[in-house]
Amino acid sequence: GDSVTQMEGPVTLSEEAFLTINCTYTATGYPSLFWYVQYPGEGLQLLLKATKADDKGSNKGFEATYRKETTSFHLEKGSVQVSDSAVYFCALMNNNAGNMLTFGGGTRLMVKP
Amino acid sequence: GAGVSQSPSNKVTEKGKDVELRCDPISGHTALYWYRQSLGQGLEFLIYFQGNSAPDKSGLPSDRFSAERTGGSVSTLTIQRTQQEDSAVYLCARDPGGETYEQYFGPGTRLTVT
Repeated sequence: GDSVTQMEGPVTLSEEAFLTINCTYTATGYPSLFWYVQYPGEGLQLLLKATKADDKGSNKGFEATYRKETTSFHLEKGSVQVSDSAVYFCALMNNNAGNMLTFGGGTRLMVKP
Repeated sequence: GAGVSQSPSNKVTEKGKDVELRCDPISGHTALYWYRQSLGQGLEFLIYFQGNSAPDKSGLPSDRFSAERTGGSVSTLTIQRTQQEDSAVYLCARDPGGETYEQYFGPGTRLTVT
């Protein structure tokens, strides 16, 4: 079946540091890929997405590129802020299988001033 | 917001009792998904509805779990004879349709079984 693997946290960074959270997937067909974010005390929010190979999703300074050859969708940000502290979830949607999301385990990011 | 409301926000129940969780998406005719977020299992799919039909119930953990949707809008997830392992946050998401492939999540219901 489909699966998503992402790096375990917590990831602790100082403000303005570079962020990478690794995500790899296993799926049949050509899934769409997503990053969701859950800020403390809040619900799950869509951060960015990519629906086909080589697409780059971007939002709020975050980027991720859909790499079919390496089955990866790593999340990056050039300069993190304290307000980016949250749990980040990588997910895939297999468009041939009902469009439900399969999530990775989540990565907690803590940014210190 | 995400256009999805869920109630109650918190529910504490005794083991063996039945509970009903409600999801109300902003607009009626969209696909609707239920997920569960627990410490041990992470985020996992439970069931989805297209209109009032549930084409895929494969994620329901046991026959104690059931769900329905009426009028293509409100959905109810029912857990019978609750067990402690049912304790989790139950999330509902709407998919507006088309080819956006996006899902918008409600705030969730935190269920605690004592």
